[in-house]
Amino acid sequence: KAGVTQTPRYLIKTRGQQVTLSCSPISGHRSVSWYQQTPGQGLQFLFEYFSETQRNKGNFPGRFSGRQFSNSRSEMNVSTLELGDSALYLCASSLGTFGNQPQHFGDGTRLSIL
Amino acid sequence: AQSVTQPDIHITVSEGASLELRCNYSYGATPYLFWYVQSPGQGLQLLLKYFSGDTLVQGIKGFEAEFKRSQSSFNLRKPSVHWSDAAEYFCAVGERTGNQFYFGTGTSLTVIP
Repeated sequence: KAGVTQTPRYLIKTRGQQVTLSCSPISGHRSVSWYQQTPGQGLQFLFEYFSETQRNKGNFPGRFSGRQFSNSRSEMNVSTLELGDSALYLCASSLGTFGNQPQHFGDGTRLSIL
Repeated sequence: AQSVTQPDIHITVSEGASLELRCNYSYGATPYLFWYVQSPGQGLQLLLKYFSGDTLVQGIKGFEAEFKRSQSSFNLRKPSVHWSDAAEYFCAVGERTGNQFYFGTGTSLTVIP
């Protein structure tokens, strides 16, 4: 069974630009979550989607947005990029209910802002 | 609010030595508990999970963890560490009554020969 696939693996952008990251979950998984990982802040929850609906949202500004398609694939968009947005962005998928379903992670997208 | 604490930011052990990584949580009820491992440049891999029942759970790669309700802890252990175990380890908590998921700040493990 294929794992969670995130594309691209690496991105370099400049301040003020916008970026879209993609995540394909494990087949059959309907929940997709996004996390930002930085050395100083650790893993921070961005949002979770289930059946194309955002169910949970972390404490991030509105520049961070996402969506989920009918095939459960998800995209995350960050607008007006700032230097502090440099991070590893991880996507995780699970079968369903957030709390009791282990999350399966992709290898992440490394975003660097110049 | 729920929280997960991993008190050790960094641990160094010798290859072949035993290992214990600490995890404490703050939650009103017994949550779902998980340990993940992250190798450099990769995502997180699930090592083991606890939902209920036997408080000692076995995971992959020879790891085990023990849930202690009285101490609100879920410590990860391995009897003999291998050089390939060097990585970042994350404890995580999933809500039983909601659908939130919380991660600790991680413990970085270095294994010396």
